Amino acid sequence: NAGVTQTPKFQVLKTGQSMTLQCAQDMNHEYMSWYRQDPGMGLRLIHYSVGAGITDQGEVPNGYNVSRSTTEDFPLRLLSAAPSQTSVYFCASSIRTSGRRNEQFFGPGTRLTVL
Amino acid sequence: KNQVEQSPQSLIILEGKNCTLQCNYTVSPFSNLRWYKQDTGRGPVSLTIMTFSENTKSNGRYTATLDADTKQSSLHITASQLSDSASYICVVSPHTGTASKLTFGTGTRLQVTL
Repeated sequence: NAGVTQTPKFQVLKTGQSMTLQCAQDMNHEYMSWYRQDPGMGLRLIHYSVGAGITDQGEVPNGYNVSRSTTEDFPLRLLSAAPSQTSVYFCASSIRTSGRRNEQFFGPGTRLTVL
Repeated sequence: KNQVEQSPQSLIILEGKNCTLQCNYTVSPFSNLRWYKQDTGRGPVSLTIMTFSENTKSNGRYTATLDADTKQSSLHITASQLSDSASYICVVSPHTGTASKLTFGTGTRLQVTL
């Protein structure tokens, strides 16, 4: 299993440009999520999905869109990049259960710089 | 507001020494607490997950403890190795079920030197 994969690893954008960060997992996990990690702050949830066709907003959703057409893929779209979106983005997945243990598996991250 | 605070912010220790990292949280109601290791330039990797009824959980040289009454957790690393150099993140979940409500600490950056 490749686990959670993310592309690209690095990206530089100009203000106003749009792009899509790709995320895929091959563990048949129903739950997937996107986080951003900024210096001096904990990871913050952007959007998440509990299954194909179902998405919801997290703590910091403004400026980002997501869709979940398949179980495997969960792309994150930046509609009009702003310098405030300079960050490291992590995709994560976990088995959706009703229990207390939901180990999250994180991808390697995408480092995005917006000029 | 749910918060997770970690201390120290950073730590330097000699290879072979032990160390303990602290995590205090205000998340309520509490479901489980997780410790992650994040190597530089990589995604976080789970070390332990503990529910409120568990006092201790080990994973090799890593031992996590939890006191749900005082809302404190610690991660003890025994006989440190250079490969332990990383950030260690404490994460608290207030709910059962999906992981959409996790609260992340800012991490403790550990450097192990010769």
